[in-house]
Amino acid sequence: DAGVIQSPRHEVTEMGQEVTLRCKPISGHNSLFWYRQTMMRGLELLIYFNNNVPIDDSGMPEDRFSAKMPNASFSTLKIQPSEPRDSAVYFCASSYSATNEKLFFGSGTQLSVL
Amino acid sequence: DAKTTQPPSMDCAEGRAANLPCNHSTISGNEYVYWYRQIHSQGPQYIIHGLKNNETNEMASLIITEDRKSSTLILPHATLRDTAVYYCIVRVAWETSGSRLTFGEGTQLTVNP
Repeated sequence: DAGVIQSPRHEVTEMGQEVTLRCKPISGHNSLFWYRQTMMRGLELLIYFNNNVPIDDSGMPEDRFSAKMPNASFSTLKIQPSEPRDSAVYFCASSYSATNEKLFFGSGTQLSVL
Repeated sequence: DAKTTQPPSMDCAEGRAANLPCNHSTISGNEYVYWYRQIHSQGPQYIIHGLKNNETNEMASLIITEDRKSSTLILPHATLRDTAVYYCIVRVAWETSGSRLTFGEGTQLTVNP
């Protein structure tokens, strides 16, 4: 298996633009997680899905952030409009189930909002 | 979840054992100890977890004290590729509310040649 696949690897955009980050979880995994990492705040859980259904989005910073999982093999995290403070590395992770703590992380998307 | 305390940094010579401590004095009976690591510019990687017995896998060994208030992750023969931030996380497993691993600041392990 190729592992969790994220795209793009790097994204540079201007303030106010829409940004879409993509994630393909490991086949057979039923839970998907979006994390954000910054120097100031470390790794933060934004949202997670179980069987394609959002379970907990309490970590999503504000309404500018939205996440979808239309099927078991694809998820998106969208920021609209983007702001410089959204600059961070965004990680997607998947696991066999929501109660399985062995998470497999992707390589992340480095987002820079100018 | 119980709070964990780890030293901010440690050094180890290549080929020697790296022993990373973690204090979790408020751990409760149904909380597991998990270890992850994050190599620079990569996503975190699961290493090992345990409840009260010592555990070993191909990557590392986990030693949990009898009172479960602290644990040590052991990398038996550290290599330069083991240089990373190591996170100790305490978490109730099998919660129906789902996984919500909380990563602290971890220990920056530097393996020197």
